[in-house]
Amino acid sequence: EAQVTQNPRYLITVTGKKLTVTCSQNMNHEYMSWYRQDPGLGLRQIYYSMNVEVTDKGDVPEGYKVSRKEKRNFPLILESPSPNQTSLYFCASTLGNLGNEQFFGPGTRLTVL
Amino acid sequence: SQQGEEDPQALSIQEGENATMNCSYKTSINNLQWYRQNSGRGLVHLILIRSNEREKHSGRLRVTLDTSKKSSSLLITASRAADTASYFCATVTGGTSYGKLTFGQGTILTVHP
Repeated sequence: EAQVTQNPRYLITVTGKKLTVTCSQNMNHEYMSWYRQDPGLGLRQIYYSMNVEVTDKGDVPEGYKVSRKEKRNFPLILESPSPNQTSLYFCASTLGNLGNEQFFGPGTRLTVL
Repeated sequence: SQQGEEDPQALSIQEGENATMNCSYKTSINNLQWYRQNSGRGLVHLILIRSNEREKHSGRLRVTLDTSKKSSSLLITASRAADTASYFCATVTGGTSYGKLTFGQGTILTVHP
């Protein structure tokens, strides 16, 4: 089944404890992206990657890191999480570029205490 | 303020009625996409309309794009209770299909049986 998977789905952590949210797609898509969704603010793009080893900042990249060493994986790294990073995070992938539909993962609900 | 802004913020209708949601944006776009999100879950792509297109249909969905007014509308005909969800427009800007996808804050649609 074609899908985007994220792990973990739920995570409660404390300020300053490094964490990684994994994202994997099995559709051989070039473009991958991370978003955060907050009430009243909609979805905002954090980082995106147009292909392996090619990443760029979205609208809200501060406090996050990404890497794209393999085509299928695009992990989101929070080196020192803070409470303002409490949010619902979505990974998405697209065949080629944004001229095509995006496929979204199920989301990761992160709480930073 | 955001690139894409939906109107209305919330819409409540009866089953069988039509639902119309509007999206306005500020800068020129490559394409505009509509997504649906059921409560707290991942987004599902509905329709993509390119800047040189004026109207697209998919089943009970009809999307229009007016680049002169920088606006788009999503019409759901003969709505069903299962259409209850949040609907987001998203724009790809910058003259290419690479780069950032900017979401609006969404319209919450409630369809009463």
